[in-house]
Amino acid sequence: EAGVAQSPRYKIIEKRQSVAFWCNPISGHATLYWYQQILGQGPKLLIQFQNNGVVDDSQLPKDRFSAERLKGVDSTLKIQPAKLEDSAVYLCASSILGGSQETQYFGPGTRLLVL
Amino acid sequence: SQQGEEDPQALSIQEGENATMNCSYKTSINNLQWYRQNSGRGLVHLILIRSNEREKHSGRLRVTLDTSKKSSSLLITASRAADTASYFCARIQGAQKLVFGQGTRLTINP
Repeated sequence: EAGVAQSPRYKIIEKRQSVAFWCNPISGHATLYWYQQILGQGPKLLIQFQNNGVVDDSQLPKDRFSAERLKGVDSTLKIQPAKLEDSAVYLCASSILGGSQETQYFGPGTRLLVL
Repeated sequence: SQQGEEDPQALSIQEGENATMNCSYKTSINNLQWYRQNSGRGLVHLILIRSNEREKHSGRLRVTLDTSKKSSSLLITASRAADTASYFCARIQGAQKLVFGQGTRLTINP
């Protein structure tokens, strides 16, 4: 079974530029998550999708971050414009239905450096 | 902070020794999960313990949960170099939101 795919793996940009990350979840998984992990900290949930609907985006900085999952499969996360403090690893995860007893499966992440 | 507290922040032991990591949290839980993160395999789910369980085993891993003290521990027995990683506890907040602690960085020395 293929895992969660993410691209790119690494990205370096200058502040105020835009960047986009892509995620393809495990086939058949209805729930998709985007996390931000700053160096030395645990992952923090940015947004959770159930199929193509948003379940939780309470911690998404909506003035600069946006995410979509138009067909309920793959997803993109965009930052526009980027700030220095956005330097982090962006992890995508998926689970079958998003229930509290389920395991989340994580992709390898995209490491973003904002200069 | 939304995240739980993990203790210690870093742990270095010799190969073959046991490693114990602790996690405390502030609100009631339905379950608590432990994850491992290393550069090779990313973030991987290790074990889930439900609030009505006190102990759970998986291979060399043993997880305990004390809901009265709002704490959990992860024990790795007979450690190996491949166990070098960061270990995170995570709890469910609300219906589905997974909230991670800050993690324990474990180093196994040969």
